[in-house]
Amino acid sequence: KQEVTQIPAALSVPEGENLVLNCSFTDSAIYNLQWFRQDPGKGLTSLLLIQSSQREQTSGRLNASLDKSSGRSTLYIAASQPGDSATYLCAVESGGYQKVTFGTGTKLQVIP
Amino acid sequence: ETGVTQTPRHLVMGMTNKKSLKCEQHLGHNAMYWYKQSAKKPLELMFVYNFKEQTENNSVPSRFSPECPNSSHLFLHLHTLQPEDSALYLCASSEVGGGYNEQFFGPGTRLTVL
Repeated sequence: KQEVTQIPAALSVPEGENLVLNCSFTDSAIYNLQWFRQDPGKGLTSLLLIQSSQREQTSGRLNASLDKSSGRSTLYIAASQPGDSATYLCAVESGGYQKVTFGTGTKLQVIP
Repeated sequence: ETGVTQTPRHLVMGMTNKKSLKCEQHLGHNAMYWYKQSAKKPLELMFVYNFKEQTENNSVPSRFSPECPNSSHLFLHLHTLQPEDSALYLCASSEVGGGYNEQFFGPGTRLTVL
């Protein structure tokens, strides 16, 4: 059974800082890994999806990397802004197509 | 309307009530999903539909009954729920095929069972 862990559970940084969020998974036989952000009381917004054959994806100030062999992914946020404050979730598709397992998330606060 | 929409956004119901949640996707996708998000727990996949056919039921109690009349609409019928069923229910859609299964989510329905 796939297990997805995100550390730390919460993170507070000053504005402008570069930061890294971590996601680890126990079963490396994945189809893809997707990063989301969730604002309080809202749905999820897709940030990046990395297919199993890829090593990284970039979108604006965001860069996500994937190391399947070690069961890890990182989300790098450059020059953080207060608007980046949200909960960041990673999700892994594995163990059968469309079987998606989510982590518990990292709650990020960027202080102006 | 764009993206994935869900109605109602908030719902309060008693344990003996029957209600339905509605989801509609405007993205032309062929797969739809129901997830449950409880406090302090990861999102839990409940049901998956591909081309209107249910392909996944993640051991969900029968008091939750999904319905997918076409690829754009998904319902979750609720009856005789328990207080522990109170949660945020999220709908998602994706275009399956080619190994690129990016999911797009609706805003969710906040359900409270009294």
